[in-house]
Amino acid sequence: GQQLNQSPQSMFIQEGEDVSMNCTSSSIFNTWLWYKQDPGEGPVLLIALYKAGELTSNGRLTAQFGITRKDSFLNISASIPSDVGIYFCAGQEGLNYNNNDMRFGAGTRLTVKP
Amino acid sequence: DGGITQSPKYLFRKEGQNVTLSCEQNLNHDAMYWYRQDPGQGLRLIYYSQIVNDFQKGDIAEGYSVSREKKESFPLTVTSAQKNPTAFYLCASSITTGYTFGSGTRLTVV
Repeated sequence: GQQLNQSPQSMFIQEGEDVSMNCTSSSIFNTWLWYKQDPGEGPVLLIALYKAGELTSNGRLTAQFGITRKDSFLNISASIPSDVGIYFCAGQEGLNYNNNDMRFGAGTRLTVKP
Repeated sequence: DGGITQSPKYLFRKEGQNVTLSCEQNLNHDAMYWYRQDPGQGLRLIYYSQIVNDFQKGDIAEGYSVSREKKESFPLTVTSAQKNPTAFYLCASSITTGYTFGSGTRLTVV
């Protein structure tokens, strides 16, 4: 199935720096989700976005649902070592989560140097 | 606490053997999914089930089989027909607020 275009693929940053990553799609989505995956674990939902233009924060994390409904970005402010992991975007065209139309980005691998 | 449990965490099997990965959820979710994760490739859908006794192939179903006899359980069998089975396997379930993932099973075939 179609995958989302997520960038960058990897980031190496210094502790305290801000981070930005984004996801784009050729299709219009009704939902954008951002997940974090720690090594050897399953992804955990960070932020869910349901409306174009929506800006939502979760602690130091902020995500936005693009106006065109074809993109989303995730910002992490003042990074700390435990931010290390892989961040995935996910998007869904439909409104029913029981349908098989959830699409995932390939992930952004974040490394934070103390 | 409600959640989704995958077992075992690590699994080693000899080439040519079938192996079954367990996935159990107590979230009362109707839909369940199996994904395969390889380094740098994101998540690829193997099978999904929207309701008990029904399941559909995903993008990479060849060499895999599933069953959904109970709402809570969605086991995945990796058969000997799967040419490159070594990977990290993730199970997920969903209802209305996005997917909830298990902690994964790392399968290594030697």
